[in-house]
Amino acid sequence: EIVLTQSPGTLSLSPGERVTLSCRASQSVSSNYLAWYQQKPGQAPRLLIFDASIRATAIPDRFSGSGSGTDFTLTISRLEPEDFAVYYCHQYANSPLTFGGGTKVEI
Amino acid sequence: EVQLVQSGAEVKKPGESLKMSCKGSGYSFATYWIGWVRQTPAKGLEWMGIIYPDDSDIKYSPSFQGQVTLSADKSISTAYLQWRSLKASDSAMYYCARMGASGHFDSWGQGALVTVSS
Repeated sequence: EIVLTQSPGTLSLSPGERVTLSCRASQSVSSNYLAWYQQKPGQAPRLLIFDASIRATAIPDRFSGSGSGTDFTLTISRLEPEDFAVYYCHQYANSPLTFGGGTKVEI
Repeated sequence: EVQLVQSGAEVKKPGESLKMSCKGSGYSFATYWIGWVRQTPAKGLEWMGIIYPDDSDIKYSPSFQGQVTLSADKSISTAYLQWRSLKASDSAMYYCARMGASGHFDSWGQGALVTVSS
């Protein structure tokens, strides 16, 4: 099983700041089959990025994903008030599919 | 617009059975895998399994194999997650989600909270 470790656990930031979230895999994620999701309280996760770097439909271009192998990054270029949420990475290269523990981005 | 609408919250007693549903619309339901994901504060997001509605091909996570049953009825664009005998540890939020071409989950249901308590 591929274990995904996200860091940091919590980030305290202000609107307008740039943020970089990390997701490290316990083994290489083949084909860069890694996604990022955003989850706000009381809501389902929402797909932001898939295949490590492809933005999902209607996702603003301030969100970008990068990385390969075992190290992946989600970058938000300028935080908007609506971006304060929990972010999860997810690998779908190997079964069982697994998720990271999440990074909370708070004000 | 792709939509997945799940059945409502449930409160059950240990040992009771439960079948929850996930109805898709806005796309060809039969030809996309549907996955189920459990979320708890303690363990976070956990993948339970996926089903292909067109032929009911199923892949279970080893952690959930034998604990739950996935099924689907493509004639009514609905997938199901079922328990025969609930335990308190099954208390969680459950999501269904459509699987995109490469295996990510591109659309999610709104979630269904299950509470199992005596």
